[in-house]
Amino acid sequence: GESVGLHLPTLSVQEGDNSIINCAYSNSASDYFIWYKQESGKGPQFIIDIRSNMDKRQGQRVTVLLNKTVKHLSLQIAATQPGDSAVYFCAESTGFQKLVFGTGTRLLVSP
Amino acid sequence: NAGVMQNPRHLVRRRGQEARLRCSPMKGHSHVYWYRQLPEEGLKFMVYLQKENIIDESGMPKERFSAEFPKEGPSILRIQQVVRGDSAAYFCASSPRTSGGNAEQYFGPGTRLTVT
Repeated sequence: GESVGLHLPTLSVQEGDNSIINCAYSNSASDYFIWYKQESGKGPQFIIDIRSNMDKRQGQRVTVLLNKTVKHLSLQIAATQPGDSAVYFCAESTGFQKLVFGTGTRLLVSP
Repeated sequence: NAGVMQNPRHLVRRRGQEARLRCSPMKGHSHVYWYRQLPEEGLKFMVYLQKENIIDESGMPKERFSAEFPKEGPSILRIQQVVRGDSAAYFCASSPRTSGGNAEQYFGPGTRLTVT
């Protein structure tokens, strides 16, 4: 069935480093992808999205890359800060806006 | 502009009781989604509603679970005769009306249901 998975369950970086979180998806018909950040005890917080007609999109300190050929999505965080520590989820949109979430990657940022 | 609101934030129920979870979408949003999250896992889609209509309930268990989004008032996720396996965090998300394109989903803080 459909699935969205992540390669690395935990990523540890030093403050100031760049972080890259990866995601693989299996539904080639998905046309919309989102990255969410979730802190402990809170709901997911929207970070950045990208549509399938794009391969790159930039926000403030974040960049999302989409490679449809290999069905791969990545989130790059520049100059990672301790406040970036959280669990990051990728999600894909199927059908009428229903989101399929991956299992998450925990990002740990050391000062 | 208030975000998505959910209440209660924490709910404890004994096995066999009913649980009612409420979600008020962001102002101007007419699309509501419910997701369930187990510890250390991603969110799983349950149901998608618009005002007075269930659009997609493919993620809802066939029994004991129901959802509604009335013309007036919040969306309600109802779980009858709860069992321990229902213990989870339940998140509501809302998005604005679209013409068929994609739109961001904004999430509430969730309701953490514990069944004892």
